[in-house]
Amino acid sequence: QKEVEQNSGPLSVPEGAIASLNCTYSDRGSQSFFWYRQYSGKSPELIMFIYSNGDKEDGRFTAQLNKASQYVSLLIRDSQPSDSATYLCAVNTGGFKTIFGAGTRLFVKA
Amino acid sequence: GAVVSQHPSRVICKSGTSVKIECRSLDFQATTMFWYRQFPKQSLMLMATSNEGSKATYEQGVEKDKFLINHASLTLSTLTVTSAHPEDSSFYICSASPGQVRDDQYFGPGTRLTVT
Repeated sequence: QKEVEQNSGPLSVPEGAIASLNCTYSDRGSQSFFWYRQYSGKSPELIMFIYSNGDKEDGRFTAQLNKASQYVSLLIRDSQPSDSATYLCAVNTGGFKTIFGAGTRLFVKA
Repeated sequence: GAVVSQHPSRVICKSGTSVKIECRSLDFQATTMFWYRQFPKQSLMLMATSNEGSKATYEQGVEKDKFLINHASLTLSTLTVTSAHPEDSSFYICSASPGQVRDDQYFGPGTRLTVT
């Protein structure tokens, strides 16, 4: 069973802090990794994707990938209350087979 | 770029009737489209993957005769929930992938189905 694991949270951080969201996956052959943000009652929105080991930065977001440890993370700098949402980690295991984690709920306190 | 629309956004139907949901990629051609279902406070559940011009591939446990998927063009896929029952009430979300090289998915806004 190919799996993507996330802590369900909620993860609570104060406004302005760094929020760190983590994800592990079981299929060592996975090649593509995605982070989606989903607000309550809305559909997911793609915010980051990463294919190579290391860090990838986009504005306040940094995705980190470590294939040896089968670990991918998302850092949100200067967290804002508007960042409060559920963050879904998704892993492509081959072809168009993408497996989503159950998501981590983030709450940014003003 | 990468905008996906879905229609209707919300539908209420009576038990036993059928409902069709449309998913369109507005600014790109989608070789592959996906249909998901999400119950409240639960994760996305992939129902099926459809490729333009071919039959959809359904996930285990999803009834293909109940959830009819048609991917008639590179910009349109439809999901028809046939003989709907109250337990089919859920949030149905489509996504589309730009092409055979890229595997990122872009989601439509979702359709909230309520079967009474």
